[in-house]
Amino acid sequence: IAGITQAPTSQILAAGRRMTLRCTQDMRHNAMYWYRQDLGLGLRLIHYSNTAGTTGKGEVPDGYSVSRANTDDFPLTLASAVPSQTSVYFCASSDSAGANVLTFGAGSRLTVL
Amino acid sequence: GQQLNQSPQSMFIQEGEDVSMNCTSSSIFNTWLWYKQDPGEGPVLLIALYKAGELTSNGRLTAQFGITRKDSFLNISASIPSDVGIYFCAGRGGYSGGSNYKLTFGKGTLLTVNP
Repeated sequence: IAGITQAPTSQILAAGRRMTLRCTQDMRHNAMYWYRQDLGLGLRLIHYSNTAGTTGKGEVPDGYSVSRANTDDFPLTLASAVPSQTSVYFCASSDSAGANVLTFGAGSRLTVL
Repeated sequence: GQQLNQSPQSMFIQEGEDVSMNCTSSSIFNTWLWYKQDPGEGPVLLIALYKAGELTSNGRLTAQFGITRKDSFLNISASIPSDVGIYFCAGRGGYSGGSNYKLTFGKGTLLTVNP
């Protein structure tokens, strides 16, 4: 089934550890996004990529980095996790940067202790 | 950055009731969108609105693009248990390549439907 695969589904992490959330899409979408969802704050854009080889900062990029080496993969890395990064992370993709139909993954629940 | 005020934050209704939720912004948007997030899943697009004053339906859902381009509402008629979830409005302003072109999401409305 075409779509977005995120891994891991959930993870408990000690503060200070490095963590990479994986995201793979098989729809050949050009644009990809990482959002975090927190209670009362909705969805906030962390980083995005309009096309392979390019990335940009979203609303809350601090403490996170991304790379887009190819069309399909868009990993999100927390270099040194902190408790405030406890959240549910959603990867999404769209056919183009201006497309309104975003396809979301099922999310990765991250707990930083 | 742009912000959307979505209300209400949560709703608890009986099956069969109609539901209304809305989003307002201090900025003008060129596109308004409504997404639904089922429990444990990512959001899915319900309705997209592209023109001020536009009224669009999708089954029991009806959404409108406000005439001022600063607001939108979503109505759900005759609610059923599977309507449970979080509803997000989202807006896009500016122009392609501009700093405010990215989608901005509201904080969501949590809907609970009592059978």
